[in-house]
Amino acid sequence: AQSVTQPDIHITVSEGASLELRCNYSYGATPYLFWYVQSPGQGLQLLLKYFSGDTLVQGIKGFEAEFKRSQSSFNLRKPSVHWSDAAEYFCAVAPFQGAQKLVFGQGTRLTINP
Amino acid sequence: EPEVTQTPSHQVTQMGQEVILRCVPISNHLYFYWYRQILGQKVEFLVSFYNNEISEKSEIFDDQFSVERPDGSNFTLKIRSTKLEDSAMYFCASSPDRMNTEAFFGQGTRLTVV
Repeated sequence: AQSVTQPDIHITVSEGASLELRCNYSYGATPYLFWYVQSPGQGLQLLLKYFSGDTLVQGIKGFEAEFKRSQSSFNLRKPSVHWSDAAEYFCAVAPFQGAQKLVFGQGTRLTINP
Repeated sequence: EPEVTQTPSHQVTQMGQEVILRCVPISNHLYFYWYRQILGQKVEFLVSFYNNEISEKSEIFDDQFSVERPDGSNFTLKIRSTKLEDSAMYFCASSPDRMNTEAFFGQGTRLTVV
């Protein structure tokens, strides 16, 4: 079945440490891939997206993600996290061009230790 | 910066009552969406709306649900007779075209059915 998986429900890192949040998808073709962030009391904010081309995409707030077709992955990274990065992170997929909906992973809650 | 606005931020209703969740999408966007997130679960697609009609809906979106764009600016989700299991965070989103580009999400309405 088509799905999006974020294997880590909760991750804790120290401020200043590097971060990688995992996302795997299972779709036949290369879907359109997104990472959203939800801070407490806020809506879903787009961090970055991948449609085609360079497999390393840069986003806002110093985040980047790399699309790896062979691994069906789209992992989110940040070299050095800040306390303000504490939030819920969602990977999402538009299964094909023109798809009317996004399919979300279950989210990863990021906690930052001072 | 334009944003999607949802009201109210939190609504408590008794089981069996009708509720209307309201959204003001970004003004030049053409596609509108409702998603929901039951506590601890994934964000799930409910319905997409284009050109004053539903363009796609999920199996969750049964006869208890309806959507409307009553006045060219608001986009509403009505739940006719709420059930306990309708308790969730409901997100409205809009996009300038189909979902292969960025969708802008509102901050959500938390619906609690008691």
